[in-house]
This record gives sequence, C-alpha cells and structure tokens, in this order.
Amino acid sequence: DTGVSQNPRHKITKRGQNVTFRCDPISEHNRLYWYRQTLGQGPEFLTYFQNEAQLEKSRLLSDRFSAERPKGSFSTLEIQRTEQGDSAMYLCASSAHIQGDTEAFFGQGTRLTVV
Amino acid sequence: EDQVTQSPEALRLQEGESSSLNCSYTVSGLRGLFWYRQDPGKGPEFLFTLYSAGEEKEKERLKATLTKKESFLHITAPKPEDSATYLCAVLYYKLSFGAGTTVTVRA
Repeated sequence: DTGVSQNPRHKITKRGQNVTFRCDPISEHNRLYWYRQTLGQGPEFLTYFQNEAQLEKSRLLSDRFSAERPKGSFSTLEIQRTEQGDSAMYLCASSAHIQGDTEAFFGQGTRLTVV
Repeated sequence: EDQVTQSPEALRLQEGESSSLNCSYTVSGLRGLFWYRQDPGKGPEFLFTLYSAGEEKEKERLKATLTKKESFLHITAPKPEDSATYLCAVLYYKLSFGAGTTVTVRA
C-alpha cells in the first residue's frame, strides 16, 4: 500500500465553478478525515467518516461543501460555486479505529486556487 | 472547545544547536497527542503518538514528551534537513491542530 492518495494535486478554477477532489485512504483504514489548511495555519477539521457514515461536519463546512464516501472506500469532497476564500490546501487523512485509535496518516493534499 | 497552542511560532537554529518546541493543550478526554512534520506544499508526515503523561518517544534527533497539560518536542543537534514546520494535534474523536512551529536550521 502506498499510503493515502489525493487527486488532483493542484486545481485552478474560476470563481463560481464547481470542483471535486478525490481521496483514496489506506485500504484497511475505516476512518477518513477531511481538513483544510491555509498558509501559516494548522489544518482545520472539516468532516470525517467511519466506513460510509459521515459522523460529523464542522461549521466551517457550508452548504456549498459536500463529502461522500460510498461503500466506505474512497471519498470525494465537492465545492459548489467556489469563492476566492475557498483557496486553500485540502488534506485527507485516514486511520484505523477498532477498539482504539491509531495514527492518522495524511495524503499530499490538493491545492485549490480560485481566481 | 479544544485548544492547542504551539510556541514559538518560528525558531531559527544553527546546525548542532539543540532546542525544544512546546505544545500546550486543553481538551477533555484526551485520547492521544500527535506530532507531525510538514514540509512546504506537502501533507503532514506522522512522527509520534503519546497517550499518557510521562510517556516519551524518540526518533533519530527528535524526542517527544507528554505531561498532563503540554508536550515538548526536543530537537538534539539538528541538521539542515530538520528544517520544517512541526505540528502538534490532540485527539478526542478528531484531530485538533495547533498552528505549528516553523524550524529553520542553518548550516
């Protein structure tokens, strides 16, 4: 297994367009997290899944954002009607959660630039 | 609400000059404290997990320690390749991150 994979690595879009990012977690991991990171800040929690169930969404996640994890495997994060304030690095992480938590491993991120 | 505060914001070191980074936290029901290294334009790379006060973990020139209210990341005799942003995160059901400490090691 090569770790958490995110695609695309970079995305430039015009304001008002929709974008979708994909995350492929480590195969045996049942938890998947989405974070957003802006320059000089630590990652901010957006949402997480346990298997296919979305268990929590941050108030940062406006109604323009939606995330899915069909069949508990890969996940997608869609942003509709993008705004310049959406420009950031979007990070995905996965972990195994059975009787306890293990380390969360991150992908390389998708850098979104809204022009 | 969970709070994670890292200090200093930036640290400039001469090669071989040891130092420590601080991570203080307030969280109920801590399930783990994580340290990550992040290089520019890349995702965070896992370093350590600490679960209970008094625990210590080491990896090469890095050593992480944990008390009931804070964690320290000690860098011993750093090299230029240790230059990075070091992130601390606490786990309740999600990871909550500090803003990080950017370490620059000059040769």
